[in-house]
Amino acid sequence: GEDVEQSLFLSVREGDSSVINCTYTDSSSTYLYWYKQEPGAGLQLLTYIFSNMDMKQDQRLTVLLNKKDKHLSLRIADTQTGDSAIYFCAEKRSGGYNKLIFGAGTRLAVHP
Amino acid sequence: EAGVAQSPRYKIIEKRQSVAFWCNPISGHATLYWYQQILGQGPKLLIQFQNNGVVDDSQLPKDRFSAERLKGVDSTLKIQPAKLEDSAVYLCASSLDGTGLNTEAFFGQGTRLTVV
Repeated sequence: GEDVEQSLFLSVREGDSSVINCTYTDSSSTYLYWYKQEPGAGLQLLTYIFSNMDMKQDQRLTVLLNKKDKHLSLRIADTQTGDSAIYFCAEKRSGGYNKLIFGAGTRLAVHP
Repeated sequence: EAGVAQSPRYKIIEKRQSVAFWCNPISGHATLYWYQQILGQGPKLLIQFQNNGVVDDSQLPKDRFSAERLKGVDSTLKIQPAKLEDSAVYLCASSLDGTGLNTEAFFGQGTRLTVV
């Protein structure tokens, strides 16, 4: 099917790590992305991973990819209140003109 | 570098009226996307342009939605007539070249449409 699935809500304490999970559908997807959306704003690309990689680290962000299970996760270390937003997982499906398919988003709430 | 510009930011119309949204992509970006984001859902691709040609409009409700990108730069998305279920944020995005494997899509702030 078309669906990219994510859990809808995550609440963490400031300073803890956050882990946001995603499952995608197309095993031939070339790139997988994490976008962040703050209230009233457009989507901002946070990080991405190529499908032949298992892990990518970028400062406080760690992306893990399990291609066999089509499972993607985003770990945010030392979560801050400014990290409160909706996080979207997206897969880029291969083809003549690459199509970007988004999940429904995970709302991350960071509390003191 | 200027980002993707969209207007208006907000629009309220009555059902059966028509509405148009405008998008100015980042200069030099060949690929332009229109997404519909219904509250509580992820963005859904409506139409994708490569320069001034349509390369994917499989999820565009063509009986009421239309889009054009006449000179391969700006684009307009029109809804005529609008239905209540069209209430959503309409996001425009652009990328250098949609045919490449990794071409980051840059998003505008969106137009929030409310149909009453």
